Amino acid sequence: AQSVTQLGSHVSVSEGALVLLRCNYSSSVPPYLFWYVQYPNQGLQLLLKYTTGATLVKGINGFEAEFKKSETSFHLTKPSAHMSDAAEYFCAVSGRITNAGKSTFGDGTTLTVKP
Amino acid sequence: ETGVTQSPTHLIKTRGQQVTLRCSSQSGHNTVSWYQQALGQGPQFIFQYYREEENGRGNFPPRFSGLQFPNYSSELNVNALELDDSALYLCASIGDRFRDTEAFFGQGTRLTVV
Repeated sequence: AQSVTQLGSHVSVSEGALVLLRCNYSSSVPPYLFWYVQYPNQGLQLLLKYTTGATLVKGINGFEAEFKKSETSFHLTKPSAHMSDAAEYFCAVSGRITNAGKSTFGDGTTLTVKP
Repeated sequence: ETGVTQSPTHLIKTRGQQVTLRCSSQSGHNTVSWYQQALGQGPQFIFQYYREEENGRGNFPPRFSGLQFPNYSSELNVNALELDDSALYLCASIGDRFRDTEAFFGQGTRLTVV
């Protein structure tokens, strides 16, 4: 069984400030972890993923995330927020014995970027 | 641009009716998953098809069914629509479920049941 908890349904930052979106997961098997971004009336776009290997993962648009097994966390960060980062962000987990197409998603975090 | 297209983009149906949603996957992708995303929530896994056979189902009743075709297209069918079926329905295309870890999502079909 798998689950994802995204702490904070809404996060607001100023343009240029650090972005930190929190994700904790639960998985009975070694996980694959994903962050997706969703703009209004659009589908999901993959920002980054952790499968195996290096625990610090770099993605598109300057985002990165660190897999911390001991904390069961996969928090998403970006050093400097841009207005175009305003969107809904979803953390997802799937088990390695299954695949990315059977992911369990969190409820999302809405990121607002203030000028 | 993910190369995955869904149709229609919006749809309004009456409670009790049946609906068919369509997805065109990337060429060569043999795996497709369908998700339901209710307003204000994350996507929920409905089922997955691999090489035209169902390969796993989430916690959805049998009135949700699907088909996958050899031409990399697929359908989600929902019978006896209920008001709670109103949601964004997303399909996700995967090259091969044993090899690939990235799912490519379509833009979704917004279904409203009245």
